[in-house]
Amino acid sequence: EAGVAQSPRYKIIEKRQSVAFWCNPISGHATLYWYQQILGQGPKLLIQFQNNGVVDDSQLPKDRFSAERLKGVDSTLKIQPAKLEDSAVYLCASSPAGGLSSYNEQFFGPGTRLTVL
Amino acid sequence: QKEVEQNSGPLSVPEGAIASLNCTYSDRGSQSFFWYRQYSGKSPELIMFIYSNGDKEDGRFTAQLNKASQYVSLLIRDSQPSDSATYLCAGGWGKLQFGAGTQVVVTP
Repeated sequence: EAGVAQSPRYKIIEKRQSVAFWCNPISGHATLYWYQQILGQGPKLLIQFQNNGVVDDSQLPKDRFSAERLKGVDSTLKIQPAKLEDSAVYLCASSPAGGLSSYNEQFFGPGTRLTVL
Repeated sequence: QKEVEQNSGPLSVPEGAIASLNCTYSDRGSQSFFWYRQYSGKSPELIMFIYSNGDKEDGRFTAQLNKASQYVSLLIRDSQPSDSATYLCAGGWGKLQFGAGTQVVVTP
């Protein structure tokens, strides 16, 4: 079974530029998550989708971050404009369970390492 | 703010010994708990999950959950150099809160 795919793996941009990340979850997984992991910290949830609907985006900085999951499969996360503090690894994860289920083992993709100069 | 707390380490463990990792959580509504292993520069990898009070064993790993004390632990028996990594504890209900992780260093 193929795992969660993400691209690009690395991205370097200057502040105020825009950037987009792509994620393809494990086939059949209903729930998709985007996390931000800053060096030395645990992953922080940015947004959670169940199929193509948003379950939780309470920690997404909506003035600069946006995400969509068209057709309930692939997802993109965009940052516009980027700030220095956005430098982090952006992790996509998927889960077979529904968004409100407690049994939501999450499987992570390889991540995208973003550096904002 | 609902939090998951872990000691950052590093936890130095001799090869062959037992590594004991601890995690506390503040949200009494949390129902499911997960341990992830994260090698440097890699993404988290799920190694254990536990939902019920008590112990759960899987190979060299044992997870322990005490909901009354809001405490989760992970034991790694017969520690190997390949176990050297950061271990992330996560808990929640639908939405997971991650701790910052405990770095484990297994020394030959």
